[in-house]
Amino acid sequence: GENVEQHPSTLSVQEGDSAVIKCTYSDSASNYFPWYKQELGKRPQLIIDIRSNVGEKKDQRIAVTLNKTAKHFSLHITETQPEDSAVYFCAASDKKAAGNKLTFGGGTRVLVKP
Amino acid sequence: DTGVSQDPRHKITKRGQNVTFRCDPISEHNRLYWYRQTLGQGPEFLTYFQNEAQLEKSRLLSDRFSAERPKGSFSTLEIQRTEQGDSAMYLCASSWTGDEQYFGPGTRLTVT
Repeated sequence: GENVEQHPSTLSVQEGDSAVIKCTYSDSASNYFPWYKQELGKRPQLIIDIRSNVGEKKDQRIAVTLNKTAKHFSLHITETQPEDSAVYFCAASDKKAAGNKLTFGGGTRVLVKP
Repeated sequence: DTGVSQDPRHKITKRGQNVTFRCDPISEHNRLYWYRQTLGQGPEFLTYFQNEAQLEKSRLLSDRFSAERPKGSFSTLEIQRTEQGDSAMYLCASSWTGDEQYFGPGTRLTVT
């Protein structure tokens, strides 16, 4: 089955700096890669996603890039703000399984220092 | 609130007791997923429904776990003879396309 690894596990940045989180996946059949933000005690919130027919996608201060050959994808947050502090999870969708079940990485705890 | 809802939000039970959780998906979503999340980890897939049919179950879902979605709307997840290792956050998600999955707030289970 799919295996997703995520790095770093914690990331501390100064407000206004950029944050980058990297994930690798194992199953070349995966073709959907969402990113979720989870604040303490709250539900995972879908913030951006990318499909394998696209190399990059941007939404305001966040962007995601995908390298299918290397089987890795990254989340970029620019001009970080204190409200960006949260745990971020990457995931990959296993298309061979019914229903596109998601396999998640271990998470990155991001702390934006004012 | 038209998002995914779950009930109860918190459940404390003694080892050996049975518990049941409910998930109400976004109304037009025909796909429903259950995940389990332990502290400091990402969610792990448990099971998936399309309409009322349970189409996949993870190996994590032992025979003490059962899930239903009888009318293709809400779903229930039951854990029989709970063990301390069952303590976790149980998350439900729903989707229309199968790609974009929207999560509920979760049910936090504590087994004492």
